[in-house]
Amino acid sequence: QSALTQPASVSGSPGQSITISCTGTNSDIGNYNSVSWYQQHPGKAPKVMIYGVSNRPSGVSNRFSGSKSGNTASLTISGLQAEDEADYYCTSYTTINTYVFGTGTKVTVL
Amino acid sequence: QVQLVQSGAEVKRPGASVKVSCKASGYNFHTSHFHWVRQAPGQGLEWMGLVNPTNGDTSYAQDFQGRVTLTRDTSTSTVHMELSSLTSDDTALYYCAREISATFYLDYWGQGTLVTVSS
Repeated sequence: QSALTQPASVSGSPGQSITISCTGTNSDIGNYNSVSWYQQHPGKAPKVMIYGVSNRPSGVSNRFSGSKSGNTASLTISGLQAEDEADYYCTSYTTINTYVFGTGTKVTVL
Repeated sequence: QVQLVQSGAEVKRPGASVKVSCKASGYNFHTSHFHWVRQAPGQGLEWMGLVNPTNGDTSYAQDFQGRVTLTRDTSTSTVHMELSSLTSDDTALYYCAREISATFYLDYWGQGTLVTVSS
C-alpha cells in the first residue's frame, strides 16, 4: 500500500487561505469517506483536525475544513495564523482493512 | 480523562526484538481499537497495524506483515506492540493511538516511545 501523495510544503501569509491536497486511489480515498487530517507540531504527538472527510472534532477551529473529490481529499486552512505552522498528514482506510498515511505537508506562515 | 501511557525508551541491537506497551485509562477499554503508528527521525507518519481489544483481532500493514505482533491484556487495559528482526531503519518514535470503534480516526495518542536500534 503506497503512501497517499501530499505536497511537501505549502506556505501563506497571515490571514490568507491555503489548501493541502491528498491524492490516493480507488482502493482508499476514492472508496470510503474515511479521510482524516492530523496536525503535528515539532516534538508533539499528532492531533486530529478533520475526520470523515469534513467533520471537525470539538475544540478544533472552524478555520479548518475538509473536502473530497474522487481520489483526492483536501484540507483548507482559512485566516492563516502563526500557530497553524506545523506538519499536516492525511490518512484513509483502505479496501484491505488497513490504513495509510499521506507523505506529509509542512505548512509555513510567512 | 482519557489517557494512553506508553512504556519507556528502548535501545536494541540489530536482529533483536522490542516490545512496547500502551496502557489506557479513563474510558471503557472495549469501545475502541488501538493503532500503532511510527515516525522515523525527520520523517512522516507510518501506519503499522491495529488491534481490537475485545476479541484480539488484528490488521497489519503489508510492510510489517510477519514482523509485528499486536496483543492486548484486558485485565490491565494494556496493548502491546512487538517488532522483531530489528534493523537501523526501525529507529523511530512509536505511537499508540485510540480509534473509537468504526469512526476511522485517531482521537487520542500516547506520548510516543523512542526505539533506537544500534550496534
